[in-house]
Amino acid sequence: DTGVSQDPRHKITKRGQNVTFRCDPISEHNRLYWYRQTLGQGPEFLTYFQNEAQLEKSRLLSDRFSAERPKGSFSTLEIQRTEQGDSAMYLCASSLGGPVQETQYFGPGTRLLVL
Amino acid sequence: GDSVTQMEGPVTLSEEAFLTINCTYTATGYPSLFWYVQYPGEGLQLLLKATKADDKGSNKGFEATYRKETTSFHLEKGSVQVSDSAVYFCALSDLNGNQFYFGTGTSLTVIP
Repeated sequence: DTGVSQDPRHKITKRGQNVTFRCDPISEHNRLYWYRQTLGQGPEFLTYFQNEAQLEKSRLLSDRFSAERPKGSFSTLEIQRTEQGDSAMYLCASSLGGPVQETQYFGPGTRLLVL
Repeated sequence: GDSVTQMEGPVTLSEEAFLTINCTYTATGYPSLFWYVQYPGEGLQLLLKATKADDKGSNKGFEATYRKETTSFHLEKGSVQVSDSAVYFCALSDLNGNQFYFGTGTSLTVIP
């Protein structure tokens, strides 16, 4: 396994359009996380899945954002009616579940630019 | 809520200098603590971690000790190299292990 992959790596869209990003985690990992990172800041937690169940969602996450992990493997993050403030790097990470927090392994990210 | 406060950068050091990047945290209970590194043009990579008080994480010459009494997890390296130039992020996981909280990152540049 080569690690967490994300697609696309870059996305340019016009304000008001919908975009969807995909994340493929490390195959044996049952936890999957989405983060957003803006320039000069650390990653900001968006949401988290344990298998196919979405267990946590940031209170800061707009209703325009939705994420799915239908079969407990890959995940998609959709942003509807994009705004310029959505421009950021969107990171996906995966980890093994367990009683102690396991290391998260990050993908390369999808850089979104909303014009 | 849980949070991480990290030393602001940028930091510029000469090769072979001693490095310290400060990190303090606020958390409920006993979080796990991490340092991640982001090299230019690359994704975040785990550098080291510690899961309980007094644990010392180490990797590639970097060390950090989980200090519960001072709620700190400072990153140190005795002799930095040009190849250590990167952005370093301190992070903690919450009590349930469901969320990670990252600091704002510290940019390090090592000059020959």
